[in-house]
Amino acid sequence: GAVVSQHPSRVICKSGTSVKIECRSLDFQATTMFWYRQFPKQSLMLMATSNEGSKATYEQGVEKDKFLINHASLTLSTLTVTSAHPEDSSFYICSARSRGPLEQYFGPGTRLTVT
Amino acid sequence: EDQVTQSPEALRLQEGESSSLNCSYTVSGLRGLFWYRQDPGKGPEFLFTLYSAGEEKEKERLKATLTKKESFLHITAPKPEDSATYLCAVQARGNFNKFYFGSGTKLNVKP
Repeated sequence: GAVVSQHPSRVICKSGTSVKIECRSLDFQATTMFWYRQFPKQSLMLMATSNEGSKATYEQGVEKDKFLINHASLTLSTLTVTSAHPEDSSFYICSARSRGPLEQYFGPGTRLTVT
Repeated sequence: EDQVTQSPEALRLQEGESSSLNCSYTVSGLRGLFWYRQDPGKGPEFLFTLYSAGEEKEKERLKATLTKKESFLHITAPKPEDSATYLCAVQARGNFNKFYFGSGTKLNVKP
């Protein structure tokens, strides 16, 4: 149980284009979803938290107009990187939590490369 | 300020050589402490949640313990497949949604 998927696993895009990453909870209802960014050999950096049907809460320093998050249902959240630039290249990981248990379950991650 | 410090940064063990990883934390009221395993290029895999000092949890060769200031992840007779980065995270009572992650311990078990 507690499986989270992400799609795509890898994406390469050109500078100036937008990229959408999907995160799905496959066997539970995710009342809260999280988006993280991870740089090489570093730990996870929380970007934003979203509750189903509500606007996302962004961490300080994260541009909400650049990283658009939509938590449209209890099983789906999307992260759209708008007007991507090479510095946006990174490993993006989502996680999800259901109502009650504290632990977050993570997706497999998406490697974004902006050329 | 809430924070988590993990040590050592990296650990090399021979197969069968038991050891412990440390996670020290400072948090304004602990709600939960979490251990994850992360393989290269993958998302973290949930291992344990600990809620209060004195609590212990086990899974195969792993055992996690918790005190008021730190947690240990004990690895007994490790195998090469235990090689990974182990992450510790804490959740404070004041913020239900935020995990504070440590920087991780990269474990390498040689056959």
